[in-house]
Amino acid sequence: RKEVEQDPGPFNVPEGATVAFNCTYSNSASQSFFWYRQDCRKEPKLLMSVYSSGNEDGRFTAQLNRASQYISLLIRDSKLSDSATYLCAVNKVQGGKLIFGQGTELSVKP
Amino acid sequence: DADVTQTPRNRITKTGKRIMLECSQTKGHDRMYWYRQDPGLGLRLIYYSFDVKDINKGEISDGYSVSRQAQAKFSLSLESAIPNQTALYFCATSDLDRLYGYTFGSGTRLTVV
Repeated sequence: RKEVEQDPGPFNVPEGATVAFNCTYSNSASQSFFWYRQDCRKEPKLLMSVYSSGNEDGRFTAQLNRASQYISLLIRDSKLSDSATYLCAVNKVQGGKLIFGQGTELSVKP
Repeated sequence: DADVTQTPRNRITKTGKRIMLECSQTKGHDRMYWYRQDPGLGLRLIYYSFDVKDINKGEISDGYSVSRQAQAKFSLSLESAIPNQTALYFCATSDLDRLYGYTFGSGTRLTVV
């Protein structure tokens, strides 16, 4: 089993839709959790850190479920510009090396 | 200038050749990483360094070596390139005291023919 696994993609949704991605992790000692966005052939960029209490940034909401060992990303009111690959990342120690999921591709259509 | 700079941006090389990918950063971070990305496989860690004297293998270090020349510089070498090392390579940095994840370089697209 991979340490970090994501929903297989691609997700094809219309503009305005709500879409959710899940990411499971196998190591219960994991401490820090992140969602990254990656545009085609470009470097990943941090979208959100994921806190135990959950956190929201505009149309994006991230949640952590330690008991079930998964994190989620909810995107509301999808825009064409949200089309990208979304990567989750997990590490065991604050500031330590990140383990990435394989990424989930999102395509938002007009 | 970018916080994390990778050179070259693109490179085509022949099987058996030695090639070095370079990474430099202006963020003052102690920790630096090399990842490769292949379609459908996500980012996989090759090597990482938590300071100049600390070098560690990642999950796929075979066929690669690294050098941490200074806090700001971390180079990745392919001693004898092979076609299955064709990939997109990313350098990244992080700061122990922050929960802000990594800062990535723009990547090096390497093709081994």
